[in-house]
Amino acid sequence: QLQLQESGPGLVKPSETLSLTCTVSGGSISSTSNYWGWIRQPPGKGLEWIGSISYSGSTYYNPSLKSRVTISVDTSKNQFSLKLYSVTAADTAVYYCARQGAVVTHWFDDWGQGTLVTVSS
Amino acid sequence: QSVLTQPPSASGTPGQRVTISCSGSSSNIGSNYVYWYQQLPGTAPKLLIYRTNQRPSGVPDRLSGSKSGTSASLAISGLRSEDEADYYCAAWDDSLSGWLFGGGTKLTVL
Repeated sequence: QLQLQESGPGLVKPSETLSLTCTVSGGSISSTSNYWGWIRQPPGKGLEWIGSISYSGSTYYNPSLKSRVTISVDTSKNQFSLKLYSVTAADTAVYYCARQGAVVTHWFDDWGQGTLVTVSS
Repeated sequence: QSVLTQPPSASGTPGQRVTISCSGSSSNIGSNYVYWYQQLPGTAPKLLIYRTNQRPSGVPDRLSGSKSGTSASLAISGLRSEDEADYYCAAWDDSLSGWLFGGGTKLTVL
């Protein structure tokens, strides 16, 4: 059974870069021809899609975050990563990684448990 | 501010049927599938409905999804206490080339 696990610092200072990694187990990130996504949820609020990446590196980003986001994939480590630059308190959220299907319009079916990232000095 | 609009809350008594709406536009719900997720406190969202009206294995048939024009609905019949959760709709938006989520509806079982 496929499992996803987010990891990274739980506290980031304002203006710095938030970096998270999602490790995929129970399957190869490159053999399943999937897209892989990042979604976040500020405390007490709704879900927001950040972006998605294919196993080959094709990316789609939320236009509202595009100027500050980079998503990359490392097939050798079975991981994909998120970098969010110049963070502010508004970026405080639980960050989820998730698996999609073979196209970016495929839904998010398997999710990680989520990791809380707080932006504060 | 979500482009997919959901009522912030809904409620019902055990056994009742409740409906949660999700309103969008021609570039998202009007031209693409709709998805519904359930989120229990402190947990990741769980897929309830895919491709507007399909249920993944393990999701009971008392849950159903539908769409008409630029609006979609999730219906839960035979309401149970374990249905108390937050529910989110989602759809791909062709204009944004990205995913949109609704603001979420908190369902309370009275």
